[in-house]
Amino acid sequence: NAGVTQTPKFQVLKTGQSMTLQCAQDMNHNSMYWYRQDPGMGLRLIYYSASEGTTDKGEVPNGYNVSRLNKREFSLRLESAAPSQTSVYFCASSGDWPYTDTQYFGPGTRLTVL
Amino acid sequence: DAKTTQPTSMDCAEGRAANLPCNHSTISGNEYVYWYRQIHSQGPQYIIHGLKNNETNEMASLIITEDRKSSTLILPHATLRDTAVYYCIVRLGSTGTASKLTFGTGTRLQVTL
Repeated sequence: NAGVTQTPKFQVLKTGQSMTLQCAQDMNHNSMYWYRQDPGMGLRLIYYSASEGTTDKGEVPNGYNVSRLNKREFSLRLESAAPSQTSVYFCASSGDWPYTDTQYFGPGTRLTVL
Repeated sequence: DAKTTQPTSMDCAEGRAANLPCNHSTISGNEYVYWYRQIHSQGPQYIIHGLKNNETNEMASLIITEDRKSSTLILPHATLRDTAVYYCIVRLGSTGTASKLTFGTGTRLQVTL
């Protein structure tokens, strides 16, 4: 039982390049989330998916797209990376009520955009 | 969700109890108090949550005041591995299938020898 896994662990991009961050969970959770964390800051929600086939914007969605590929996988895409997107990206998942607010997080992807 | 206020940082000697306070004076009657922690560079980890009764699990205890305007997370015997940032989150219990947690900047707990 690996929990929430993320790939890659580290990535360096040049401005304007694109990439996809991958996330998978093996806990049979319906809900999945993408957060970003800038240095010295708390986490901010980018997008979330309440169930397979649905996605919704969080607090900071601009510059990102997501795909809920199936129940296990939720990917985050940067179409044209900018230096402001340098951050640590965390994926999380949670079960249904009454466990919705108990989220399980992956180890993170550290992204640097030059 | 109600706003929370936490001290920026705290120190605790190893083996002693760590008491982390959180103020949530605008909490409403059906809002829960959640605690997460983030050990350096890792993803946040759920610790405990409660509504109005005190709660205890294998990681910590949560004491919520009778008026629910503040709470304290207690790590009974802190170890060096408990050094982390601790987040207090007040959250309306979600009855849907997704939850949008709001993480502030938390309390940085340093456990020392």
